[in-house]
Amino acid sequence: DADVTQTPRNRITKTGKRIMLECSQTKGHDRMYWYRQDPGLGLRLIYYSFDVKDINKGEISDGYSVSRQAQAKFSLSLESAIPNQTALYFCATSGPGQGNYGYTFGSGTRLTVV
Amino acid sequence: QKEVEQNSGPLSVPEGAIASLNCTYSDRVSQSFFWYRQYSGKSPELIMSIYSNGDKEDGRFTAQLNKASQYVSLLIRDSQPSDSATYLCAVRDGGSQGNLIFGKGTKLSVKP
Repeated sequence: DADVTQTPRNRITKTGKRIMLECSQTKGHDRMYWYRQDPGLGLRLIYYSFDVKDINKGEISDGYSVSRQAQAKFSLSLESAIPNQTALYFCATSGPGQGNYGYTFGSGTRLTVV
Repeated sequence: QKEVEQNSGPLSVPEGAIASLNCTYSDRVSQSFFWYRQYSGKSPELIMSIYSNGDKEDGRFTAQLNKASQYVSLLIRDSQPSDSATYLCAVRDGGSQGNLIFGKGTKLSVKP
């Protein structure tokens, strides 16, 4: 099994619909992140969480919300999807924010809003 | 605004050559640096990390760090077509949270 699992892998939804992307990890890490990636714009941080009770907005949180249901689970919701939220979404997890802990990414969710 | 800058490329090298990928960063107190490889449509994969000035070698990959110049590089020796991907440089924020700051990546194309 993958260390970081994202579901669904692909999703097409209509404008105005609510959609949830799910992420679970088996690495036992406290830190989890949600990013979106668009061509030419790189990875942009949406939300991050350092533990179940610590959730923080990233650089592009408008239009998104998150839920940290457990140490291993971190979900991203689009309350009312719009076409410019069409992107590749990645969940990631990491150990402490120091030293040699890089991020481990999930396989991604390709979301299309029509 | 802390930034990580990379040339977007594409960088094209012939098979067997050395590919050199460069990255500069703005946060002077950053201590940890990472290189990720990302194939088209796939997730980023960590390939190298470096924390001390100088070179760190792992197989065909060498990471180089110069903190005084705020410069990190990745050398890929004996480049193969399978190395064709986008390479992301990431720098750990020197502040209290320690999140990674990602560059936008350099696209590498290795021609047979």
